Amino acid sequence: NAGVTQTPKFRILKIGQSMTLQCTQDMNHNYMYWYRQDPGMGLKLIYYSVGAGITDKGEVPNGYNVSRSTTEDFPLRLELAAPSQTSVYFCASSYGAPRTEAFFGQGTRLTVV
Amino acid sequence: TQLLEQSPQFLSIQEGENLTVYCNSSSVFSSLQWYRQEPGEGPVLLVTVVTGGEVKKLKRLTFQFGDARKDSSLHITAAQPGDTGLYLCAGGGLNTDKLIFGTGTRLQVFP
Repeated sequence: NAGVTQTPKFRILKIGQSMTLQCTQDMNHNYMYWYRQDPGMGLKLIYYSVGAGITDKGEVPNGYNVSRSTTEDFPLRLELAAPSQTSVYFCASSYGAPRTEAFFGQGTRLTVV
Repeated sequence: TQLLEQSPQFLSIQEGENLTVYCNSSSVFSSLQWYRQEPGEGPVLLVTVVTGGEVKKLKRLTFQFGDARKDSSLHITAAQPGDTGLYLCAGGGLNTDKLIFGTGTRLQVFP
């Protein structure tokens, strides 16, 4: 009964370092999303995917990259980390179009120092 | 660019009071969802509305989708401390697969 699993839960990066945030879902959902959430704020869409091999930019894609080689996995890559990327990152998945329920992971808290 | 503005940003009330949270946009959405998020957790879906003018009730919570599908409201009757959390609206665009979230309303209900 895993749902959406994100790893790691916490990470501290130095400026200029790179890392990959992992996201996997076991619900056979086609749609997957990456969001970032700054303290006390709503969620900003970084990238999304409607199926394996298909990705597209969201509201705030700069500084990030994604890939979707399988239905289950949707990793988010940060290249050259900057303090502005300090945030909580959430991965979500849904069966179909945005009107279907989105299921979220527990989040990854990233600090760039 | 589709934006969803929520108001108020913060709401602090006593148990038993009623409240309304608003979600507004200049864009038309094919559907509107409301999520609730607790500290350290991801958002959890409360309701989805898809038809202009639609009203849905979930116990003490009443959700309405505007006639023009550009706005929505969440009304809570007789708020309880368990209602405390961050409330987020989210919209699916007409010709897009994006799910865009609103700016959020943080609700604190005191006993």
